[in-house]
Amino acid sequence: GNSVTQMEGPVTLSEEAFLTINCTYTATGYPSLFWYVQYPGEGLQLLLKATKADDKGSNKGFEATYRKETTSFHLEKGSVQVSDSAVYFCALSERYSTLTFGKGTMLLVSP
Amino acid sequence: GAVVSQHPSRVICKSGTSVKIECRSLDFQATTMFWYRQFPKQSLMLMATSNEGSKATYEQGVEKDKFLINHASLTLSTLTVTSAHPEDSSFYICSASPGQLTYNEQFFGPGTRLTVL
Repeated sequence: GNSVTQMEGPVTLSEEAFLTINCTYTATGYPSLFWYVQYPGEGLQLLLKATKADDKGSNKGFEATYRKETTSFHLEKGSVQVSDSAVYFCALSERYSTLTFGKGTMLLVSP
Repeated sequence: GAVVSQHPSRVICKSGTSVKIECRSLDFQATTMFWYRQFPKQSLMLMATSNEGSKATYEQGVEKDKFLINHASLTLSTLTVTSAHPEDSSFYICSASPGQLTYNEQFFGPGTRLTVL
């Protein structure tokens, strides 16, 4: 079956630091890959996505590249802000299937 | 575009009562809607998938008589927690997909915090 593995948090960074949150996946076919962000007390918001190998998704300074050879979709940002503090979920979806989520990684950014 | 709302955002009820949560797609027709449950500091657990006009498909371990799902129109799905108990307290999140194929993405509502006393 499909699965998504994320690095455990919390990830604690100072403002303007570089961020990487690792995500690897297992899928039987060719999934689409997503990063969702959940701010405290809110639902999920789609941050970025990639639908095929070597695609790079980007939004709000965040980037992730679909690496089929390493089955990875790591999230990166060059300079984090306090407002980026949230829980980040990596997810995949294959055709005709529902979303499979990772367990989430909490990011805490201090001034 | 692709906005999903939930109502109420928070609800507190007494044990034994029933609670209805609404999920609406505001600017698109949602053939498929999903209901998730999220425990504190944990990931989302898919409860059920519903298609408009059909019975919901429940995930293994989810009691369909306790969590009643109705998807009566292309813009509205409801989750009713019947005879709620404290262990049903949780954050419930719905999502909606524009097509029957769930290939692309789901649009999530802001969630409903249920507290059962």
